[in-house]
Amino acid sequence: EPEVTQTPSHQVTQMGQEVILRCVPISNHLYFYWYRQILGQKVEFLVSFYNNEISEKSEIFDDQFSVERPDGSNFTLKIRSTKLEDSAMYFCASSQEVNTEAFFGQGTRLTVV
Amino acid sequence: GESVGLHLPTLSVQEGDNSIINCAYSNSASDYFIWYKQESGKGPQFIIDIRSNMDKRQGQRVTVLLNKTVKHLSLQIAATQPGDSAVYFCAEIRGGADGLTFGKGTHLIIQP
Repeated sequence: EPEVTQTPSHQVTQMGQEVILRCVPISNHLYFYWYRQILGQKVEFLVSFYNNEISEKSEIFDDQFSVERPDGSNFTLKIRSTKLEDSAMYFCASSQEVNTEAFFGQGTRLTVV
Repeated sequence: GESVGLHLPTLSVQEGDNSIINCAYSNSASDYFIWYKQESGKGPQFIIDIRSNMDKRQGQRVTVLLNKTVKHLSLQIAATQPGDSAVYFCAEIRGGADGLTFGKGTHLIIQP
């Protein structure tokens, strides 16, 4: 069964450092997403990406965040200057169309120290 | 503000019994709803979805009910098994949006 894969599974970084979280969406999907989940809280939408551009972003997705599809398979989330409050699970998801089921990866646990 | 929320944070049921997990939403413009299951340390896993032009949808051992009049969504799990233990989230897509808005989650605990 096709799945969304994310790397690394756990990333520890120092405050102020840049991190790149990587995702390989399901191959025939056209819509890509990043979500985050702070420990013990609900999953929050960050951004959606379609046709090589951001389709929608939440208020959480400020100037320190960026997304990129550098090639035909990878989808990345970059956090430019990490803060302690960026510590969370970051989930990548993809879907064939908008408003259809989104499939989630296993997540990257980001710990900012 | 408007949000998707859950009535109970924890639900404990006996193995073999049926479970009902509830969700309230407040945005009448939402037109697509999904239930996700999240096991510890894993990503949300799709269970079942329903669109606003339906009031019931059935899957394998699961049924989703949508009551648009009172803006209520429920997930029924028949004959719960130990593997059903997880946190269950309802999520909605508000009209015209791409991203899912998740509720806070209900932790389903299966008692032997």
